[in-house]
Amino acid sequence: NAGVTQTPKFQVLKTGQSMTLQCAQDMNHNSMYWYRQDPGMGLRLIYYSASEGTTDKGEVPNGYNVSRLNKREFSLRLESAAPSQTSVYFCASSRTATREETQYFGPGTRLLVL
Amino acid sequence: AQSVSQHNHHVILSEAASLELGCNYSYGGTVNLFWYVQYPGQHLQLLLKYFSGDPLVKGIKGFEAEFIKSKFSFNLRKPSVQWSDTAEYFCAVKPGSGTYKYIFGTGTRLKVLA
Repeated sequence: NAGVTQTPKFQVLKTGQSMTLQCAQDMNHNSMYWYRQDPGMGLRLIYYSASEGTTDKGEVPNGYNVSRLNKREFSLRLESAAPSQTSVYFCASSRTATREETQYFGPGTRLLVL
Repeated sequence: AQSVSQHNHHVILSEAASLELGCNYSYGGTVNLFWYVQYPGQHLQLLLKYFSGDPLVKGIKGFEAEFIKSKFSFNLRKPSVQWSDTAEYFCAVKPGSGTYKYIFGTGTRLKVLA
């Protein structure tokens, strides 16, 4: 099992450009998440999908959109990138969205917005 | 607001020294508690977790953590660190009932000198 995979690993964008970060999991998990990691701020939840067909905002959703394409895949889209979106983005998944479930993280995507 | 505090932002130790990393959270109800580790260039990996029962939890690689409910703390310990423990450590809390949401601390960067 590959677990949680993310593409691309690195990306440089100019302000105003758009891009989609891809995430896939092969653990048959129902719930998937997108986080951003910034120095001194830990990880903050952008969006999550408790189950296929549903998505909800997390702590910092502004400037992002998501699509739960199917049970395996959950993409994050930046429609018009801004320098404040320079960050490391992590996708995660869990069997369900209940409190007891552990989340498993992907390797991350480093995004630089100039 | 719910929060997780990790008071030590940077810790430098020599090999074989003992380690204790502090984690305090602000939530009065039932919580699930986690410690994650992020080795340089890698994704977050679960070290250990507490859901209920024995408040002393043992994890991988010789790590353990103690949940002290009265102090709202979940400190991470290791009796003797190794150079390979150099990493960033994140405490995370899942508060409340039926919630998906992790609240992460800001992380502690540990450097172990050989």
